[in-house]
Amino acid sequence: GENVEQHPSTLSVQEGDSAVIKCTYSDSASNYFPWYKQELGKRPQLIIDIRSNVGEKKDQRIAVTLNKTAKHFSLHITETQPEDSAVYFCAADPGKIIFGKGTRLHILP
Amino acid sequence: NAGVTQTPKFQVLKTGQSMTLQCAQDMNHEYMSWYRQDPGMGLRLIHYSVGAGITDQGEVPNGYNVSRSTTEDFPLRLLSAAPSQTSVYFCASSYSTNEKLFFGSGTQLSVL
Repeated sequence: GENVEQHPSTLSVQEGDSAVIKCTYSDSASNYFPWYKQELGKRPQLIIDIRSNVGEKKDQRIAVTLNKTAKHFSLHITETQPEDSAVYFCAADPGKIIFGKGTRLHILP
Repeated sequence: NAGVTQTPKFQVLKTGQSMTLQCAQDMNHEYMSWYRQDPGMGLRLIHYSVGAGITDQGEVPNGYNVSRSTTEDFPLRLLSAAPSQTSVYFCASSYSTNEKLFFGSGTQLSVL
């Protein structure tokens, strides 16, 4: 079955710097790659997604890149702000949504 | 439009007890799923359904049953609760597997 690996598990960046979270997947049938943000005590919420026919997608300070050949995709957050502190999950869709283990992002003042 | 409604929010069980976690959505979503969330383990898929009458196992299905008799409802049954099932459970739904997932508010389950 699909295996989604996510790195790093914890990431601390200075406010204003960039953060990068990387994921790999195993099932070549996966064609949809969403990213979810979960704040403490709340439910996960979609922040951006990318489909296999697109290499990069950007939404304000957030961007996602996809390399289907290498089976990896990444989340980039620029100009980080305190409200970016949360747990971020990548996921892949081989007919069902499988999540990575998550990255806890700390934004340092 | 309530979205995904999940009940109860909190539950304490004794080992061996059974219970059902309820999940309902009013968005006419075909895809529904249950996840459990444990520290450091992310969101692990328990069972999922791509439409009424269709269910399938996820990554960690043992000890859980599901059914999907209607498009709206997708209950999760714990047959004989074990301490290893202590977790936060999320129900989630979407129009299809390659669309945005809408999550319920979660159930904090403790098995003593």
